[in-house]
Amino acid sequence: SQTIHQWPATLVQPVGSPLSLECTVEGTSNPNLYWYRQAAGRGLQLLFYSVGIGQISSEVPQNLSASRPQDRQFILSSKKLLLSDSGFYLCAWSRDRLYGYTFGSGTRLTVV
Amino acid sequence: GENVEQHPSTLSVQEGDSAVIKCTYSDSASNYFPWYKQELGKRPQLIIDIRSNVGEKKDQRIAVTLNKTAKHFSLHITETQPEDSAVYFCAASILGSDNDMRFGAGTRLTVKP
Repeated sequence: SQTIHQWPATLVQPVGSPLSLECTVEGTSNPNLYWYRQAAGRGLQLLFYSVGIGQISSEVPQNLSASRPQDRQFILSSKKLLLSDSGFYLCAWSRDRLYGYTFGSGTRLTVV
Repeated sequence: GENVEQHPSTLSVQEGDSAVIKCTYSDSASNYFPWYKQELGKRPQLIIDIRSNVGEKKDQRIAVTLNKTAKHFSLHITETQPEDSAVYFCAASILGSDNDMRFGAGTRLTVKP
């Protein structure tokens, strides 16, 4: 069966520090991968999606970036965090855009 | 692109009552409509979905209806229980396309015992 792993679960980082969140999927190949951000009490905002290695599409301009160095690995990064980057970050995967998404357990990021 | 609106943003019901959450979508080409339940501090999880070739789908106490003409779909929860309390998200997408799923803003459902 397919599983999705996301870490860390919580993170407190100072303003201006770098960020790296990692997501990996097991049990499938060539998944579509997504990064979402959920501000407190708000909906899901799509940040990036990837349909293959090295293929990244960005939904909104921001100081975050994403990379997909391997088929089942998706990384969310920032060189310098802003206070507004605080939120709950969710990685998700889907198969061939034919199925609903499966979400990772999320990372709660607090920028102080 | 697709735009999904969800109402209400908050909903409070008494245990045993029914709850209905409604969503509208803008892209008539959308043909896949999942619903996710997110408990506090946890990941959203798919609870039910419907495709555009079906008007209604039911799974125990949960049902989803779709009106393609009006471009709206609804989640119905009957005999609500306190454990149904969560945030529910609707979404819309076009299966197999390059367009990605768009989520509604969410509905916080509280079931009072």
